[in-house]
Amino acid sequence: QKEVEQDPGPLSVPEGAIVSLNCTYSNSAFQYFMWYRQYSRKGPELLMYTYSSGNKEDGRFTAQVDKSSKYISLFIRDSQPSDSATYLCAMKVRGKLIFGQGTELSVKP
Amino acid sequence: EPEVTQTPSHQVTQMGQEVILRCVPISNHLYFYWYRQILGQKVEFLVSFYNNEISEKSEIFDDQFSVERPDGSNFTLKIRSTKLEDSAMYFCASLAGVNYGYTFGSGTRLTVV
Repeated sequence: QKEVEQDPGPLSVPEGAIVSLNCTYSNSAFQYFMWYRQYSRKGPELLMYTYSSGNKEDGRFTAQVDKSSKYISLFIRDSQPSDSATYLCAMKVRGKLIFGQGTELSVKP
Repeated sequence: EPEVTQTPSHQVTQMGQEVILRCVPISNHLYFYWYRQILGQKVEFLVSFYNNEISEKSEIFDDQFSVERPDGSNFTLKIRSTKLEDSAMYFCASLAGVNYGYTFGSGTRLTVV
């Protein structure tokens, strides 16, 4: 079983839609959970950073962590064409990040 | 907003040659990292560096790789004898402290021919 699993997509939605991105993980030692956005041939850009189970909101983005189910989600409200990118979940253990495969998102005008 | 700077953005090298990838982390950050991403694959951890020494390395980071912080600002990754399979995007990242998110640079695209 992979440590972090993420559906690679691609996911295509119309502008204004709510987007739901998800990752599952197997390692209970993961303590911190992050979502990164990556544009083509660019570095990952930190979007959300959470520690505990529950929800964290920042503008149009909401990160959700369920440690009991080993499941994390990122919701994007009112999606925009500029949100088109690859979204990576990442989990921190012993100071290093373990990334998911990334989900490619396309938001159509 | 402070950023992590990487140079060069693209490097082409012949197999067997040595390359040095350079990074300037955010100035007050304490932890430094190299990750790589082979085209179409996951971002993978290579090495972490704290207090002027390697704190953890992956099995990818073999004797061909080394890291150095030669002065107070630069952080370098050296590959001694490049192989075709070293072709990838290499990302430097830095971290202010254990309770913060990582800031990544824009990457160096290494092409080994």
